[in-house]
Amino acid sequence: QVQLQESGPGLVKPSQTLSLTCTVSGGSISSNSYYWSWIRQPAGKGLEWIGLIYNSGSTRYNPSFRSRITMSIDTSKNQFSLNLSSVTAADTAVYYCAGDAGYWGQGTLVTVSS
Amino acid sequence: QTVVTQEPSLTVSPGGTVTLTCASSTGAVTSSYYPNWFQQKPGQAPRALIYSTSNKHSWTPARFSGSLLGAKAALTLSGVQPEDEAEYYCLLYYGGAWVFGGGTKLTVL
Repeated sequence: QVQLQESGPGLVKPSQTLSLTCTVSGGSISSNSYYWSWIRQPAGKGLEWIGLIYNSGSTRYNPSFRSRITMSIDTSKNQFSLNLSSVTAADTAVYYCAGDAGYWGQGTLVTVSS
Repeated sequence: QTVVTQEPSLTVSPGGTVTLTCASSTGAVTSSYYPNWFQQKPGQAPRALIYSTSNKHSWTPARFSGSLLGAKAALTLSGVQPEDEAEYYCLLYYGGAWVFGGGTKLTVL
C-alpha cells in the first residue's frame, strides 16, 4: 500500500524559505504515479493547488506562486520536495503532497511567524 | 484568473440522491479538463474519489459516480449514507495547471 508522508519545519520566519519533503513508501516513486503534487489549505478554507513534478523532473506551477516556487524529485530516495521562498503569514497552511494515482499524505501544518 | 465554482452547500436525506456540480469560468467543462473529485472530512486529509470525469479509485464506494452534466462536471451520490457528510472538492485541468473549486459542504440530514 502506497503511503505519503510530508516532513519539514512547522515554523518558518517571514521572508525565509519554506522547505518540505514528501517521502513515498510502499513502492517506487517512479512507478506509482506519473506525477506528484503539492496542495495547501489555510485553516478553515479550501484547497489550493501549488504545483506538480513529473517523474522526469519536469514541473508545472500555479502562476500565483511561479516566482517563489521550486520543486524537485529524488527517485533514488523516493522523495520529492517543495521550496517556497519569501514567505509571509498568508503562506500559513496545512501542506499536502499527493500522487496522481490518488494517494495523499496526511498533511503538515506550516506556520509563518516571527 | 480562472475560477472553478461549486455549490457552497447542499443538504440530502439519508438514502437519497444528490448531485454536486463543478463549473468553469472559461466555459463548458469537457473531458479535456479531466475532472477530479475529492472528499474531505473535518480534521482529515482529502480522499480522492473520481478521476478523469468518471473513473473510480479502487477504494471509491459504488454509490459515488462522476459525469458531465450539461456544461459542468458532476458528482452524484446515490443512496447517501450518514458518513458521506463532508466537504467535496472538484479539480479541473487547464493545460498544465490545475485549479480546485471552492468546495461543497454536504450535510446529511
